Amino acid sequence: SQKIEQNSEALNIQEGKTATLTCNYTNYSPAYLQWYRQDPGRGPVFLLLIRENEKEKRKERLKVTFDTTLKQSLFHITASQPADSATYLCALGGQSGGYNKLIFGAGTRLAVHP
Amino acid sequence: DAGVIQSPRHEVTEMGQEVTLRCKPISGHNSLFWYRQTMMRGLELLIYFNNNVPIDDSGMPEDRFSAKMPNASFSTLKIQPSEPRDSAVYFCASSQEDSHYGYTFGSGTRLTVV
Repeated sequence: SQKIEQNSEALNIQEGKTATLTCNYTNYSPAYLQWYRQDPGRGPVFLLLIRENEKEKRKERLKVTFDTTLKQSLFHITASQPADSATYLCALGGQSGGYNKLIFGAGTRLAVHP
Repeated sequence: DAGVIQSPRHEVTEMGQEVTLRCKPISGHNSLFWYRQTMMRGLELLIYFNNNVPIDDSGMPEDRFSAKMPNASFSTLKIQPSEPRDSAVYFCASSQEDSHYGYTFGSGTRLTVV
């Protein structure tokens, strides 16, 4: 069955450093991949989408890579700030059951320390 | 735009009682999703509506769960009878057409069944 793996342990980094989060998947060939941010007590917020034919996508301090050979996506936050502390979810999308279905990973909690 | 609106924010009910969760999607979005989030299982898709029609309800746990979308601006998720294992945060999300555009999530309903 399809499986998405994100680091279950929290990632702790110092302010100003680059945070790198990993999303690995198996038994799946997604057409695209999305990243979401979730703060405590809130719903996930969409950040970026990257398609299978794209290697890299950038948005401000965010960068996402997508390696369909390794079946992996990396999510980078450069010049991290304490306000970036949150849980980050990856989600894989593709045709399933006649529509573009999105499957979420469990998320990785990021803590940026001053 | 007020975003996706869910009510209530919190619900505490006794086992065996009926629970109804409500959702108002973003105007113009024709796809609506109900998700359940727990620590153990993460975000699970329960049901997907497109243009008010249920397309995929394979994630609905059992007959105790039912969902309706009588019009483009309102959806309900009902649990009858509720059980302690139904305790979770239930999210409603909407999107344009399908997940290529990213989902907009509501703030969720935290359900506790005692």
